[in-house]
Amino acid sequence: KQEVTQIPAALSVPEGENLVLNCSFTDSAIYNLQWFRQDPGKGLTSLLLIQSSQREQTSGRLNASLDKSSGRSTLYIAASQPGDSATYLCAVDAGNMLTFGGGTRLMVKP
Amino acid sequence: DGGITQSPKYLFRKEGQNVTLSCEQNLNHDAMYWYRQDPGQGLRLIYYSQIVNDFQKGDIAEGYSVSREKKESFPLTVTSAQKNPTAFYLCASSIFGSSNQPQHFGDGTRLSIL
Repeated sequence: KQEVTQIPAALSVPEGENLVLNCSFTDSAIYNLQWFRQDPGKGLTSLLLIQSSQREQTSGRLNASLDKSSGRSTLYIAASQPGDSATYLCAVDAGNMLTFGGGTRLMVKP
Repeated sequence: DGGITQSPKYLFRKEGQNVTLSCEQNLNHDAMYWYRQDPGQGLRLIYYSQIVNDFQKGDIAEGYSVSREKKESFPLTVTSAQKNPTAFYLCASSIFGSSNQPQHFGDGTRLSIL
């Protein structure tokens, strides 16, 4: 059974820092890996989707990488801002069903 | 604007009562999903439906039921058999069979016990 782990569970950084969030998964038979953002009390907003044949995707200050063979993905956030404060969730898609990690709660301090 | 609408935003359940959470989408997506989120944790799949009049159990279906009579609607009933229903419930939809399209989420319903 697929298991997804996110490290760290929580992270606090000063504004302007570059940071990396980690996601690992146990079964490499995936179609894609998705990164989401969740603000308190809200639903999930899709940030990036990396298909299994791709190595990375970029959107603005965000860059996500995927190493399927080692079961790892990273989300890199450049020049962090207070507005980036949220919980970040990764999920792997093994056939129209997502398995989620527990999330990383990020706080960016002004 | 296309999207997913969940209602109500907050719901309270009395012991022994069934309650129904609404989820409507106007994205013309075939697939719809219900997830449960407990505090500080990720999402767990309750039920999903890939086509009208068909649905499958997810990892934690016990104590829940669903129906899919219309493409746009996928209501979730939390039955009295669900002994620990307090959680944040999220509905999502996606294009079925596409590996390059993300799931889209509603804003959730928070269910509490009275």
